Amino acid sequence: GEDVEQSLFLSVREGDSSVINCTYTDSSSTYLYWYKQEPGAGLQLLTYIFSNMDMKQDQRLTVLLNKKDKHLSLRIADTQTGDSAIYFCAESILKTDKLIFGTGTRLQVFP
Amino acid sequence: KAGVTQTPRYLIKTRGQQVTLSCSPISGHRSVSWYQQTPGQGLQFLFEYFSETQRNKGNFPGRFSGRQFSNSRSEMNVSTLELGDSALYLCASSRTGTGGSGANVLTFGAGSRLTVL
Repeated sequence: GEDVEQSLFLSVREGDSSVINCTYTDSSSTYLYWYKQEPGAGLQLLTYIFSNMDMKQDQRLTVLLNKKDKHLSLRIADTQTGDSAIYFCAESILKTDKLIFGTGTRLQVFP
Repeated sequence: KAGVTQTPRYLIKTRGQQVTLSCSPISGHRSVSWYQQTPGQGLQFLFEYFSETQRNKGNFPGRFSGRQFSNSRSEMNVSTLELGDSALYLCASSRTGTGGSGANVLTFGAGSRLTVL
């Protein structure tokens, strides 16, 4: 079945690392994505990872994928107040534009 | 290059009315998909269009419909509005949509926020 779970809230101090976790259930997922949504805005694609990869790094962002456990994480290094937003993981089924989104994690960064 | 443009950004309707939302994709993008975002249900896929054809459809009642024009612009329509239709409706475009090679990189618009009274 299609179900993507995330924890609802994460609060971190500015300068620390943030780790946002996600679990998914569909083993046929080909790509997994991380999106960011700021208040009043649409979704901004941050990064994505192919399902046969374990890790992908892109500047301050590191994505880890454990396909056996169907667990995906996004690590943000040196978290800034501008990183405060809701973060969604998503899986695409059979390379379609139909994305199954997680519940979203609200990241709050305090000084 | 211009992003995905959605109009109107905000609108208020009453129960029983219908609404049409518009989406202009990024130039060169041929696939348009629609999502509904609500606090209770989160982000849910509505449908995907490519070359004026609906390719995928989510689990929504027939009151929700859409279409795509030859210039790739898309509209979605909701008839007989219900209170539960209040939501942020997001449109996204991609180059090839379903069946394309590589990741499906969707670019989202800012959304149309519909309030049903």
